Amino acid sequence: SQQGEEDPQALSIQEGENATMNCSYKTSINNLQWYRQNSGRGLVHLILIRSNEREKHSGRLRVTLDTSKKSSSLLITASRAADTASYFCATDEGAQKLVFGQGTRLTINP
Amino acid sequence: GAVVSQHPSWVICKSGTSVKIECRSLDFQATTMFWYRQFPKQSLMLMATSNEGSKATYEQGVEKDKFLINHASLTLSTLTVTSAHPEDSSFYICSARDPVAADTQYFGPGTRLTVL
Repeated sequence: SQQGEEDPQALSIQEGENATMNCSYKTSINNLQWYRQNSGRGLVHLILIRSNEREKHSGRLRVTLDTSKKSSSLLITASRAADTASYFCATDEGAQKLVFGQGTRLTINP
Repeated sequence: GAVVSQHPSWVICKSGTSVKIECRSLDFQATTMFWYRQFPKQSLMLMATSNEGSKATYEQGVEKDKFLINHASLTLSTLTVTSAHPEDSSFYICSARDPVAADTQYFGPGTRLTVL
């Protein structure tokens, strides 16, 4: 079953702008992960944030986690055309399996 | 980082035939692998957890007799779609947990199955 709800479902911005995607979930988690998927391809792991962490950075990526609100956000700064992809959050509930959100389709316009 | 491969990358088959998809961890041993299905413009749905040396654990609503999973070694899991029908056409993706970085799953590139 799907746990994560992602918002927005689709986002189109100009190159250079920042992109923010949100993810909400329903149960307790060990960690939350963000993945990128280019059209018709496999998933690329972007970043993992543990339940006891509130914010994490990796290059142009910034992830926040609010366990009280059961939500997370992914911020991509200074977007590039190559960032065009679908982005998924996935929660690890502790049973060694990931539950994916619906995803956000991000389009960066040159 | 760790690499997971899938074979084939795409397959077209006739309705009623069976198709086997392989998932391999190339540089680490994976006691647990996962199989997902993804329909166009939708998210990944976990089908089953593949455990080396034991039976797979299927998610609710997934027919174990239709989607046969075998995890015969620490680097290979196979998914066989038996008696495939057009509604089985989908993108099938496997993943494997890195035992060293246990929280991280590495995903294969996926297999596009089209059933005519």
